[in-house]
Amino acid sequence: QQQVKQSPQSLIVQKGGISIINCAYENTAFDYFPWYQQFPGKGPALLIAIRPDVSEKKEGRFTISFNKSAKQFSLHIMDSQPGDSATYFCAASKEAGSYQLTFGKGTKLSVIP
Amino acid sequence: DVKVTQSSRYLVKRTGEKVFLECVQDMDHENMFWYRQDPGLGLRLIYFSYDVKMKEKGDIPEGYSVSREKKERFSLILESASTNQTSMYLCASRGVRPHYEQYFGPGTRLTVT
Repeated sequence: QQQVKQSPQSLIVQKGGISIINCAYENTAFDYFPWYQQFPGKGPALLIAIRPDVSEKKEGRFTISFNKSAKQFSLHIMDSQPGDSATYFCAASKEAGSYQLTFGKGTKLSVIP
Repeated sequence: DVKVTQSSRYLVKRTGEKVFLECVQDMDHENMFWYRQDPGLGLRLIYFSYDVKMKEKGDIPEGYSVSREKKERFSLILESASTNQTSMYLCASRGVRPHYEQYFGPGTRLTVT
């Protein structure tokens, strides 16, 4: 049973545009929601994370929006750049007593000039 | 900077061989993880370890075993490699609360022929 559903699988955005990736989760016990960025040939790296006590978190051009009632969260990349081209994974976990992150299947983002 | 290193970037093995994938982290982290990454399937947890000599099965442990004799080192073992184990293998480590970030190694691309 997939607990974190991510869409779209791939995304092509023009330079300067907004990239939006969506995730939905099922387990209401999840209380930590990170996004990871992976460049070709590299391991994933934490990009930004949110906890459900806030509805939005912004770090530079990257924003997470969180909707607890809908059990959804999304990553927005403003002013997308070719250097943002990578695969993005959303994930979720329970902070208390759990060591596991449950990952979405990933979104391959291509930002074209 | 946290560093997670994996013994090989690329590995080619024959069906039936015993395969060892090694992972070392330099941040004195308690928790270590092994994932496999396949296109369209995202990251799937194979095994994790929350302390030396302690291990827990993840979502897809069949055909794999692990060893953690020292805190900094976590090994993934394929007892008898099969072609369906051809994949990218990622190791990660994580410290204790409140830092839930998992730090990933660069990955080992294993091909079983």
